[in-house]
Amino acid sequence: QVQLVQSGAEMKKPGASVKVSCEASGYTFTNYYVHWVRQAPGQGLEWMGLSRPSSPIPNIAQKFQGRVTMTRDTSTSTIYMELSSLRSEDTAVYYCAREYFGGNFDYWGQGTLVTVSS
Amino acid sequence: QTVVTQEPSLTVSPGGTVTLTCASSTGAVTSAYYPNWFQQKPGQAPRTLIYTTSNKHSWTPARFSGSLLGGKAALTLSGVQPEDEADYYCLLYYGGAWVFGGGTKLTVL
Repeated sequence: QVQLVQSGAEMKKPGASVKVSCEASGYTFTNYYVHWVRQAPGQGLEWMGLSRPSSPIPNIAQKFQGRVTMTRDTSTSTIYMELSSLRSEDTAVYYCAREYFGGNFDYWGQGTLVTVSS
Repeated sequence: QTVVTQEPSLTVSPGGTVTLTCASSTGAVTSAYYPNWFQQKPGQAPRTLIYTTSNKHSWTPARFSGSLLGGKAALTLSGVQPEDEADYYCLLYYGGAWVFGGGTKLTVL
């Protein structure tokens, strides 16, 4: 069955970076986009960007350009999202989600809590 | 900056029908925005209910339906169940970027 399994919770200090992973299984990895979405405590969902199977260049939301890097390792079917220059406002649960080309979202990862605190 | 607007909260009685909408600050929402709808319950990851306006996944209950209504994307729940109490988010496509609506908190009372 399709699964997106994310790495565990992280606690970071302001100014540091965090790298969250999303390991895909149960499907052909290169046939789907993977998106990153975050949710601050008590807030709504926020789209961060997407990683394409056929291109090393992700689409990053304007708000996060310069701070977010998205990479993928096809040998392990894992997608990574790295967020740098962390600040307290980056405290959130980060999700990966799968999209079949053309806007067909389906499966989500379980989420990774990132806490930024001094 | 593109803004996607949803009703902040709605209340519906069990067995009733309710429609949630999703509007774009850029104008009328069409199928080219590939509207998706997600349900999220407390402490859980979002779950996709509807993709590309009106398509359902195998796990989507039949009482949920998606459409375009009056220039907005819409999610209609017919025969609401107590377990439908949740937050609902729409997501629209803007040529390479996606934007979530602010979410609708649906109360079943």
